[in-house]
Amino acid sequence: GAVVSQHPSRVICKSGTSVKIECRSLDFQATTMFWYRQFPKQSLMLMATSNEGSKATYEQGVEKDKFLINHASLTLSTLTVTSAHPEDSSFYICSAIRGPLNEQFFGPGTRLTVL
Amino acid sequence: EDKVVQSPLSLVVHEGDTVTLNCSYEVTNFRSLLWYKQEKKAPTFLFMLTSSGIEKKSGRLSSILDKKELFSILNITATQTGDSAVYLCAVTINFGNEKLTFGTGTRLTIIP
Repeated sequence: GAVVSQHPSRVICKSGTSVKIECRSLDFQATTMFWYRQFPKQSLMLMATSNEGSKATYEQGVEKDKFLINHASLTLSTLTVTSAHPEDSSFYICSAIRGPLNEQFFGPGTRLTVL
Repeated sequence: EDKVVQSPLSLVVHEGDTVTLNCSYEVTNFRSLLWYKQEKKAPTFLFMLTSSGIEKKSGRLSSILDKKELFSILNITATQTGDSAVYLCAVTINFGNEKLTFGTGTRLTIIP
């Protein structure tokens, strides 16, 4: 099956710093990628849709200035958590859409801990 | 607002038992329902259902969709400890560019 990678898999940072998470589709091109967040024992919540070459579309309640998304190429989307705070600690998962069947493949996730 | 509800929230059974997990949904312009298994990392795909009444099967797992009653079930027969995971149900809508709305998940624990 298709492979989606995320880097880093785990990050610990101090409050106030910015953290960048990368999502790559390794063996296919993805014009659309998604970013999800999952808090402990909760389900995945969609944060935003990342579109190659255009601005991301954010879900209601997600601050676009805090969660910066850049989809600069057909194989890479990045999520930057700016001025991270402890409440941003979560499991961040990306997914990528592979055409022509529009199958969705998930990355392994990035666990962010903000101290 | 689109809503996906799963039940039960958690389930503990003995190895060899059969389990049925439920997913109901209320969405506008429903297109498909998907089941995922999530262990420690990201979800892995199990099934995608778009038509009512057609059972999808993969080994000991099977799933079916009822678009009239707006629900789906996931069955696992002869459960094994490796089936312990969170099972997530998600829906997509027409014109929704593949974005998934997830349910709350069912945490399944299989006791040896």
